[in-house]
Amino acid sequence: LAKTTQPISMDSYEGQEVNITCSHNNIATNDYITWYQQFPSQGPRFIIQGYKTKVTNEVASLFIPADRKSSTLSLPRVSLSDTAVYYCLVALYNTDKLIFGTGTRLQVFP
Amino acid sequence: DTEVTQTPKHLVMGMTNKKSLKCEQHMGHRAMYWYKQKAKKPPELMFVYSYEKLSINESVPSRFSPECPNSSLLNLHLHALQPEDSALYLCASSQTAQGNEKLFFGSGTQLSVL
Repeated sequence: LAKTTQPISMDSYEGQEVNITCSHNNIATNDYITWYQQFPSQGPRFIIQGYKTKVTNEVASLFIPADRKSSTLSLPRVSLSDTAVYYCLVALYNTDKLIFGTGTRLQVFP
Repeated sequence: DTEVTQTPKHLVMGMTNKKSLKCEQHMGHRAMYWYKQKAKKPPELMFVYSYEKLSINESVPSRFSPECPNSSLLNLHLHALQPEDSALYLCASSQTAQGNEKLFFGSGTQLSVL
């Protein structure tokens, strides 16, 4: 299973774009990259998933370079409600062993 | 219905008690998971059920006993727990047990062992 490395914490201000990078140097050919958001005392919530290049949905974008050894979650124009912990997961498509990394604690200030 | 429902939300138990945590989903998912999360730490995988069969046990102590009575229900039976077992216990489900599946989590049960 690919191990992931993320910054422990990040600070931002409302209205700014936030980019959180996850390193996964030993990612395997069939691994997918998934990001989750977690608020205190709640379960994680799926944000976005990708395999290569760029994926965008209504809340975020995910950028994956050609070598796939890292990925960047981009949150456009963050608000106070985006204050949360963000987890990057890398998992083989046919495994049921989904392991969370350490996560990045994002604090958004007014 | 895209919810995973966990009960109870809070539980306080003594070290000699027996209690159970319950998890329910009605999304037709065939994989269900138990995670344990200590404060300011990531969720740690405990058990995975795939098509109602236990497929992963992450070397969890036997004082935790999972049960999957049917495809919609997942229980975690607790007996003779230790204070260090106090944590948020999260249930999740996914369509099937594959790494590219989206996990749907419940809000968890906050467990305190006295």
